[in-house]
Amino acid sequence: KQEVTQIPAALSVPEGENLVLNCSFTDSAIYNLQWFRQDPGKGLTSLLLIQSSQREQTSGRLNASLDKSSGRSTLYIAASQPGDSATYLCASTGANSKLTFGKGITLSVRP
Amino acid sequence: NAGVTQTPKFRILKIGQSMTLQCAQDMNHNYMYWYRQDPGMGLKLIYYSVGAGITDKGEVPNGYNVSRSTTEDFPLRLELAAPSQTSVYFCASTETGRIAGEQFFGPGTRLTVL
Repeated sequence: KQEVTQIPAALSVPEGENLVLNCSFTDSAIYNLQWFRQDPGKGLTSLLLIQSSQREQTSGRLNASLDKSSGRSTLYIAASQPGDSATYLCASTGANSKLTFGKGITLSVRP
Repeated sequence: NAGVTQTPKFRILKIGQSMTLQCAQDMNHNYMYWYRQDPGMGLKLIYYSVGAGITDKGEVPNGYNVSRSTTEDFPLRLELAAPSQTSVYFCASTETGRIAGEQFFGPGTRLTVL
């Protein structure tokens, strides 16, 4: 059974810092790895999707990497802003496109 | 396109009551999913469907039922509500024909069982 872990559960950083959010998974037989953003009381917004054959994906200040052999993915946020404050969830995709989620990292960026 | 829509947005139920959470998508996606999210937790898969007339259990199916009579709709039924079913419920869909496409999520339904 796939298990996805995100540590730490919460993170507080000053504005402008570059930061890395970590995600680990136990079963490397995944189709892709997705990163989502969730604002309080809201739904999920897809940020980046890395296919299993890819090493990384970039969108603006966000860069996500995938290392299947070590069971790890990272989300890099450059020059963090208060508007980046949210919960970030990673999820691995298995058979029938079913997602297995981590518990998320709640990020707070202080002005 | 409206994307994935869910109704209602909020609901309070008494123990033992029943209700149906509605989910619809207008993107012609074959694959649809129901997840629940408890406070401080990630999402867990309840049921999923790979096409009209085909449904299967996910990780936490107990206490729920689903049906898929059309491509567009995927309702989730709670027969005898219990406090343990207090949660936020998300419906999602993914693109037809792609093994591992991006999943699109609805805004969620917040359910409280008292």
